[in-house]
Parts: sequence; structure tokens; C-alpha cells
Amino acid sequence: GENVEQHPSTLSVQEGDSAVIKCTYSDSASNYFPWYKQELGKRPQLIIDIRSNVGEKKDQRIAVTLNKTAKHFSLHITETQPEDSAVYFCAASSAAGNKLTFGGGTRVLVKP
Amino acid sequence: EAQVTQNPRYLITVTGKKLTVTCSQNMNHEYMSWYRQDPGLGLRQIYYSMNVEVTDKGDVPEGYKVSRKEKRNFPLILESPSPNQTSLYFCASSFRGDTEAFFGQGTRLTVV
Repeated sequence: GENVEQHPSTLSVQEGDSAVIKCTYSDSASNYFPWYKQELGKRPQLIIDIRSNVGEKKDQRIAVTLNKTAKHFSLHITETQPEDSAVYFCAASSAAGNKLTFGGGTRVLVKP
Repeated sequence: EAQVTQNPRYLITVTGKKLTVTCSQNMNHEYMSWYRQDPGLGLRQIYYSMNVEVTDKGDVPEGYKVSRKEKRNFPLILESPSPNQTSLYFCASSFRGDTEAFFGQGTRLTVV
């Protein structure tokens, strides 16, 4: 089955700096790659996603890039703010669209 | 308001005592799934359902059962809970397995 690895597990950045989280996946047929943000004590919520026919997608301060050949995708957060502090999860969906496999999560701390 | 509702939010039980965690969605989603969240392991899929009466195993199904008799409900059943099932559980729903997932509030289960 699909295996998704996420790095780093923790990330501390200064407010205003950029944060980058990287994920690799094992199933070359996977075609949907969402990112979820989970604030402390809350449920995960989708922040951005990308499909395999697109190489990059941006939404204000966040962007996701996908390299299908290398089977990795990354989340980029620019101009980080304290409210960006949370746990971020990447995920990959099977080609059949029936299973979603998550990475282990990255705890991001933005220091004011 | 579109939502996924889980109950209970917190549960402490004893080894071997059957329990059910309920999950209900009001978005007419076809796809529903259960995850458990453990530190450092991310969200691991337990079971998923692509439609009424259609369920399948995720990555960690042992010790769990589910049913999907109605589109809106997807209960998780632990017939004989054990301490290694102590975890934070999330139910999620989406139109398909490769579209945005909406998570419930989570159920923190402790088995002693």
C-alpha cells in the first residue's frame, strides 16, 4: 500500500520567515495530494490541495509544489505569522480515490 | 450548517466492554472514513465507506468494525476494546475519497 513520509517532524521559524515541509509518497499512481492544518485541540482542516496534472498551486501565503517524477510534494508558507503555529499533515490518495494515506505530521512553531 | 458530528467527545472504558462511537454528516457525502491519531504516527485510516452498504478496511482495521446502513451515519464499533486502542479518533466525510475531507470534532478514547 501507499506510504507517505513527512519531514521535518518539528519546525521552528521566526515570524516573517518562510517554512517548508516536504513529503514523499511510494505509489506512483497516486493523484491527489491535500494538506491539512490541525490547531491545538481542534480537528484537521484542509488548507490546500493539488492534483497530479498540476505542478504548483498557490493560495495567498501558502503554496504546494508537486514533483511526480521524484514522487514528492512540498508545502511552502511565506511570511509566517503566529497563527500559522499548528500541526500540518500531508496526504496522498490512491489512484482509485478510495484511500487517503497521511504523513506523520509536522509541528510548526512560529516565534514572534 | 454543514458538519460532521461525533459522539461522545470523551470516553473512558474498561478492557473488553463493547462500545460504539457515532458519526453523522449532513452534507450528503458518499465517502466516509475513520482515522485514529497517535503522536508521531499521523492519521491512520481504520475503515472507509464509499457508499451505503459498501465498507472496506483501511490500514489499521484490527479490533474495529463499522457499518453504513444509511448515507449520513457511519458508526465505529469496538467489540472488545484493549488498552492499545487508546487514541484520538476522527470521523471524516467527503464527496469522494479524493476530495476535501471534513472531519468531526474527535473522540478521545481511553481504555483501562
